[in-house]
Amino acid sequence: GAVVSQHPSRVICKSGTSVKIECRSLDFQATTMFWYRQFPKQSLMLMATSNEGSKATYEQGVEKDKFLINHASLTLSTLTVTSAHPEDSSFYICSARPPSGVTDTQYFGPGTRLTVL
Amino acid sequence: QQQVKQSPQSLIVQKGGISIINCAYENTAFDYFPWYQQFPGKGPALLIAIRPDVSEKKEGRFTISFNKSAKQFSLHIMDSQPGDSATYFCAASIGSGYSTLTFGKGTMLLVSP
Repeated sequence: GAVVSQHPSRVICKSGTSVKIECRSLDFQATTMFWYRQFPKQSLMLMATSNEGSKATYEQGVEKDKFLINHASLTLSTLTVTSAHPEDSSFYICSARPPSGVTDTQYFGPGTRLTVL
Repeated sequence: QQQVKQSPQSLIVQKGGISIINCAYENTAFDYFPWYQQFPGKGPALLIAIRPDVSEKKEGRFTISFNKSAKQFSLHIMDSQPGDSATYFCAASIGSGYSTLTFGKGTMLLVSP
């Protein structure tokens, strides 16, 4: 199956700093990538939809200036958590979907555990 | 508004038993219903998915039952194994797995040896 990687897998940062998380589709081109946040023992909540070459679409309640998303290529999307605070500590998961007609699903990355001290 | 309701929240099943997880949805526009399996510290992996034109889909030990009139679907894991212990999420979308997925809250399954 298609492989999606995330880097780093874990990151610990101080409050007020920024953290960048990368999502890569390793063996397919992804025109669309999704970013989710998952709190402990909770479901995945969609944060934003990232389309290659255009601005991301954010879900209601997600601050676009705090969670910067860049989808500069067909295999890479990045999520930058700016001025991180302890309440931003969470498990961030991306998913990527191949071009239409290739398959009928999206593939999830392994997630990035962010801890803000 | 929670569009996909999942139950139970947690489930303990003996090895060899049948695990059953249920989901109900509200939006009749949903037409793609996948189930995901997630191990601790890992991203979810697609397990099996169904569309409303069939009432059942089976892949190995995993079966989805779908009731369109009741707007419900369920996952059955036959001959449950300790390795099946994970969190299971149902989801729904409009169009396909391409589209935005709405997830249930998850069921933590523990299969005892």
